[in-house]
Amino acid sequence: DSGVTQTPKHLITATGQRVTLRCSPRSGDLSVYWYQQSLDQGLQFLIQYYNGEERAKGNILERFSAQQFPDLHSELNLSSLELGDSALYFCASSGRGGIDTQYFGPGTRLTVL
Amino acid sequence: AQKVTQAQTEISVVEKEDVTLDCVYETRDTTYYLFWYKQPPSGELVFLIRRNSFDEQNEISGRYSWNFQKSTSSFNFTITASQVVDSAVYFCALSEAYNTDKLIFGTGTRLQVFP
Repeated sequence: DSGVTQTPKHLITATGQRVTLRCSPRSGDLSVYWYQQSLDQGLQFLIQYYNGEERAKGNILERFSAQQFPDLHSELNLSSLELGDSALYFCASSGRGGIDTQYFGPGTRLTVL
Repeated sequence: AQKVTQAQTEISVVEKEDVTLDCVYETRDTTYYLFWYKQPPSGELVFLIRRNSFDEQNEISGRYSWNFQKSTSSFNFTITASQVVDSAVYFCALSEAYNTDKLIFGTGTRLQVFP
């Protein structure tokens, strides 16, 4: 158990809908990362937050957004969902970012029908 | 540009065989970190090891060992006396210290260990 929690574990929804994925980092970790794992794209970095502020952005679609709250938990919002958004979404956390190791949560499997 | 290549898509071995998973990386930075993660069939990503670019010492942890060679930009992972529980997808990843903290993953190697 990495100490990173993600909810829900599974999510099934329809095209055009909006969903929110939630992540709680390990106790004491300030940095949260979101990654998407799909069959065609592999594991791709989406976005990073550090102590409430956006720190880095990767291949994140404009339909996706994220935030990190004062209690350091993070949410990833996916809107106008398409079939191609079906994937495993991972959250990871690290202490200070940079040289610290990222520990991953169990992931949220999103299926868009 | 930074890149991680895991040329072996899938490897099958019989229990007790030794197996080496290859990882080759590209980076312009002189300070970087290399990682291996394991993704068992249950789906979670489990951290195995982190290496920084200044430490080329090989590392052994039980049946696992890692060979880091800057001269060939490789960070290979060997499992000695493989077991069925080692069956998983293994990912090599790179993080550049100067360019955010994101991990750049290889495409993974699926290891199947048969009894």
